[in-house]
Amino acid sequence: ETGVTQSPTHLIKTRGQQVTLRCSSQSGHNTVSWYQQALGQGPQFIFQYYREEENGRGNFPPRFSGLQFPNYSSELNVNALELDDSALYLCASKREGFQETQYFGPGTRLLVL
Amino acid sequence: GDSVTQMEGPVTLSEEAFLTINCTYTATGYPSLFWYVQYPGEGLQLLLKATKADDKGSNKGFEATYRKETTSFHLEKGSVQVSDSAVYFCALSDLSYNTDKLIFGTGTRLQVFP
Repeated sequence: ETGVTQSPTHLIKTRGQQVTLRCSSQSGHNTVSWYQQALGQGPQFIFQYYREEENGRGNFPPRFSGLQFPNYSSELNVNALELDDSALYLCASKREGFQETQYFGPGTRLLVL
Repeated sequence: GDSVTQMEGPVTLSEEAFLTINCTYTATGYPSLFWYVQYPGEGLQLLLKATKADDKGSNKGFEATYRKETTSFHLEKGSVQVSDSAVYFCALSDLSYNTDKLIFGTGTRLQVFP
């Protein structure tokens, strides 16, 4: 069983640019969530995708958007980057069902200058 | 809304000392509770979980008991090792939401010295 992978590991962008982060879910997992972890803070929920549909969203503006593909890999897109978007972005995948454990990837560290 | 409060760190201990990291929560429903650990430069790993009141989660010598009466889920280990040095996050997942999103505390850094 493969783990959750994310790419790239690090990324530097400038304010106003757009970025796409990628996540490959663990085998057999059809649900993926994205979290933003600012330095020294706990992760904050951005949104969750289940069978290619968004089924929950945290307190993030619409410039944060996502996609989930038929193979259950996913993308997080952020438009009009702001300095405060600098953070570690984590994706987590799980099997269907509320009690299933979420498995996290290593994250993508984004720096916005 | 739901929230998790953890004791501030860093917690600094000598090897083989007893560890307690306090965690309390506020939730409108009946949450599941989790401890995740983050080693330097890595993502989060699930350490243990409990899904209902009085459940005890345990793993790798760590334990935590779901206490509904005190809304707490304190993490304990009888004898820490240098390799336990990491940041520990308490989290909850409330089934009253349509999603099982995790709500995390701010994390507690543990430093264990030989």
